[in-house]
Parts: sequence; C-alpha cells; structure tokens
Amino acid sequence: DQQVKQNSPSLSVQEGRISILNCDYTNSMFDYFLWYKKYPAEGPTFLISISSIKDKNEDGRFTVFLNKSAKHLSLHIVPSQPGDSAVYFCAASVARGAQKLVFGQGTRLTINP
Amino acid sequence: NAGVTQTPKFQVLKTGQSMTLQCAQDMNHNSMYWYRQDPGMGLRLIYYSASEGTTDKGEVPNGYNVSRLNKREFSLRLESAAPSQTSVYFCASSEPGQPQHFGDGTRLSIL
Repeated sequence: DQQVKQNSPSLSVQEGRISILNCDYTNSMFDYFLWYKKYPAEGPTFLISISSIKDKNEDGRFTVFLNKSAKHLSLHIVPSQPGDSAVYFCAASVARGAQKLVFGQGTRLTINP
Repeated sequence: NAGVTQTPKFQVLKTGQSMTLQCAQDMNHNSMYWYRQDPGMGLRLIYYSASEGTTDKGEVPNGYNVSRLNKREFSLRLESAAPSQTSVYFCASSEPGQPQHFGDGTRLSIL
C-alpha cells in the first residue's frame, strides 16, 4: 500500500518557467511533509518542509503548498533553472519529531534551456 | 565537512554471502537510519536508531540486522544475501525534529 504517491515519474520544463511537482498521500495521520532533491550518484538533500498547521511555506524560489482536505501537496519552483534538474521526492511523517519517513516514488525534473 | 559517510560505494556479492555496510556521521546526531531504494520506488526504511543503544524496525527489516556501534556509527548487515536485496542503500542521520541528512549511498548487486 503506497501511502505517499508521486504519480508523475517525469516532468520537463523550460528554463525560467514554473515547475510544479505533485504528491498525494492516503494516511490522514501524516502531519509533517518534506521535499528532498536527489542528483545521480548522490544522496537526497533536504529542500523544504511544511507542517499540517500551515498551508504554504516559502523558501526563495521554492514554495510548498499543502491541501489537507485533498491530502495533496505540491512543490513550486519559480523560476526554474538548469541546476534544478534532479529527482524530487516528497516524504511524510506523523509528526515533525517522528523517526519514520514514508517516501513517494520520486519525479524526475528536467529543465530545458 | 564530511556529513554522512558510507562505505563501500559499490559491492557485488554472490547469493548466500554476508556483508556489512558501514555508516558514520560527524554531525553529533542522535538518530540514524538505513533505507533502500529500488527502481521506480521511493526510499524505504529498513531500520533506525533513535539514540545510541536503541534500534527499531522500519518498513522492510526482513533479512537485515543493524548495530549502533556508538553515537557516530550505524552498520547494516546482510547475513545471507539474496538477489532481492540488490538495491541502493542509503544511511541518514538527524536530530529530533530536524530533516534527515543522507550519505551518497552504497550500490549493492547480488548475483
């Protein structure tokens, strides 16, 4: 049972435009959500997070939106840059301090010049 | 500033062989984790250690054992490797309430 789903395996966006990556979850106990970015042959690196008490969190070019009623979150990257080309994973836990993260399958983002 | 260091980076094993994957972190984090990543799937938690001296099962613990050797080191052991354990293994560490920091992974192939 996939509790966290990223239904788009890949996404291609033109440089300078907005990239929108989506993530759905099924477990209503999830309370804290994170996005990680992964380059080939490297480990995932933390990008941005959001707690369920918020519906938006922004950090520079990256904004995460959370829709609790729809059990959906999205990551917006504006403007997209070539260095943003990577695999993006969303992850969820039942609390910010919880040890167990559940990851989605990942979305490969390609930024075209 | 090494962060989380995993050794080896690559390994090929034959079915039935044993192997220990090593992980060390230099960030003085209390919690450490082992994940596996398979094609088309996200990272899945194998085992974690909330603090030195404790270990707990994650989502996919079967076929693995772990040892929290000290605060810095957390090893993952395959006692009798199986082809289904072919994967990329990631170690991570964190402080409570903070994002996990990952190593660069060990790519393990079992023939």
